[in-house]
Amino acid sequence: DTAVSQTPKYLVTQMGNDKSIKCEQNLGHDTMYWYKQDSKKFLKIMFSYNNKELIINETVPNRFSPKSPDKAHLNLHINSLELGDSAVYFCASSPRTRETQYFGPGTRLLVL
Amino acid sequence: AQTVTQSQPEMSVQEAETVTLSCTYDTSESDYYLFWYKQPPSRQMILVIRQEAYKQQNATENRFSVNFQKAAKSFSLKISDSQLGDAAMYFCAYRGWTDMRFGAGTRLTVKP
Repeated sequence: DTAVSQTPKYLVTQMGNDKSIKCEQNLGHDTMYWYKQDSKKFLKIMFSYNNKELIINETVPNRFSPKSPDKAHLNLHINSLELGDSAVYFCASSPRTRETQYFGPGTRLLVL
Repeated sequence: AQTVTQSQPEMSVQEAETVTLSCTYDTSESDYYLFWYKQPPSRQMILVIRQEAYKQQNATENRFSVNFQKAAKSFSLKISDSQLGDAAMYFCAYRGWTDMRFGAGTRLTVKP
């Protein structure tokens, strides 16, 4: 069984479109995260939720909006996509806020 | 904001030899966690080892061990008896109370 899953794995879209990436974890963890990894492999945290409450909200454009319908899901919605949004987006979860994180397989987003 | 520095963009090691990857960090907190994550070509991020800052004893996990120097804010990873499967990007990470940072990564090549 996949512990942290993301859909889709690949996403190719045009500039200006709106898209969503879904994340689900079946580990019973309280905390979930979204990261962006750029073409140079630099990994930057975007958001973190603990028990559906936003606890880390880094400086990202407000075109990015996380949504946590329940503890097991943390979705990322991106409005008005730009070329610079092209990256791999990782979802992760941890039992509590500062414990080991378990990562999803990543979603490669390409904006044309 | 806390910073994490990995000064070695690339490292190379002969199979069965030992290699040490460097990591330094900047923080004003006294209670935090440090991690090493591995990202092979498959893109999946996997925990290698974790260290709680309040623990003086260095963490070990089979062939992987750390040298944690809290006063120097240094957290190096030693890989003993290197194997071909160790080839990957290695990321050092810092987790404070409200902050999560990754270093830029070190690409490790293992030569047969």
